[in-house]
Amino acid sequence: QSVLTQPPSVSAAPGQKVTISCSGSSSDIGNNYVSWYQQLPGTAPKLLIFDNNERPSGIPDRFSGSKSGTSATLGITGLQTGDEADYYCGTWDSSLSGVVFGGGTKLTVL
Amino acid sequence: EVQLVESGGGLVPPGGSLRLSCAASGFTFISYWMSWVRRAPGKGLEWVANINQDGSEKYYVDSVKGRFTISRDNAKNSLYLQMNSLRAEDTAVYYCARATTAFDYWGQGTLVTVSS
Repeated sequence: QSVLTQPPSVSAAPGQKVTISCSGSSSDIGNNYVSWYQQLPGTAPKLLIFDNNERPSGIPDRFSGSKSGTSATLGITGLQTGDEADYYCGTWDSSLSGVVFGGGTKLTVL
Repeated sequence: EVQLVESGGGLVPPGGSLRLSCAASGFTFISYWMSWVRRAPGKGLEWVANINQDGSEKYYVDSVKGRFTISRDNAKNSLYLQMNSLRAEDTAVYYCARATTAFDYWGQGTLVTVSS
């Protein structure tokens, strides 16, 4: 069981918007930066969002991140079939002195 | 261009040992924390270990403490993971990742299978 809680799956039609939630506690999300990763089938994870809401160079602005209290959210607009992947949130856990991830959310673009 | 290339994975029996390597290039290796992250079949990502720039600080997930050792050779721009007393539940693809406030670059991964 993961420290951070994500929905197992979300789905939406091409062109639509989807949000993925990530819930934690004061020892992880509440006091540390959140990052988001995309893992396409058969490939390595890729950083989408760092420091709660910052996008690395090359990540389109269709991807956005936000954080409030002990929860974080990844938003994806203008969905494309190529966005079908597993998405993970991650952060430092001060009580564990380690990095924790959510269980992952599988995005299906119908 | 930042590149991280893992090697050393394979099939090993329960109780066996394996040493993973990660060759880094395209950035100043000595300036960064480095990490190992794994993904077991049908499961999500799991952070395994972190090491600071000079190797004086190391952190591990509880499930590998006492069995795995992370290390680095800054002269060779290389990261290592020594895995001992391997268990079936250690079966996973192991990724090397550069660590800042996030894992900003990842290798392609190396598969470790623990089975008799």
